[in-house]
Amino acid sequence: DAGVIQSPRHEVTEMGQEVTLRCKPISGHDYLFWYRQTMMRGLELLIYFNNNVPIDDSGMPEDRFSAKMPNASFSTLKIQPSEPRDSAVYFCASKGVEETQYFGPGTRLLVL
Amino acid sequence: KNEVEQSPQNLTAQEGEFITINCSYSVGISALHWLQQHPGGGIVSLFMLSSGKKKHGRLIATINIQEKHSSLHITASHPRDSAVYICAVRYTGNQFYFGTGTSLTVIP
Repeated sequence: DAGVIQSPRHEVTEMGQEVTLRCKPISGHDYLFWYRQTMMRGLELLIYFNNNVPIDDSGMPEDRFSAKMPNASFSTLKIQPSEPRDSAVYFCASKGVEETQYFGPGTRLLVL
Repeated sequence: KNEVEQSPQNLTAQEGEFITINCSYSVGISALHWLQQHPGGGIVSLFMLSSGKKKHGRLIATINIQEKHSSLHITASHPRDSAVYICAVRYTGNQFYFGTGTSLTVIP
């Protein structure tokens, strides 16, 4: 398996623009997690899905952030409109029946 | 309630030294994970613990449920061990809380 795939790997955009981050979990995994990592706050869980259903979105910072999982092999995290404080590395991770989460390479987002 | 504390924040060691990184949490947990983040940014899960001790190669992780404390040990450290080590705890459900990480540099 190729592991968790994220795209794009890097994104530079201007304040106010819409940003869409994509994730393909490992086949067969039924949990998918979105994390954000910044220097100030470290790693934070934003939202997670189980069997494509959002279970806990309490970490989503505000209404500008939304996440979807239309099927078992694809999820998106959207920021609209983006702001400079959204600049961070966004990680997607998936897990199956075991406890171990497998992380994607991350998307490094810079909002100017 | 959900605080996770790691120490030290930064650690520099000579190659071959024995290294210990500590993690403390404030309330009962379902599981504790140790993660390794490489200088390039990738994150790898090293261990998941709910009790006792686990060993993988030169890495050993222990957890004391009563004391709400876990340690990650690296024996015979090597420059390739240089990374940020992050403690993550899971309470009920799948809500994770992370320590701020320990940045380890191993000098040849």
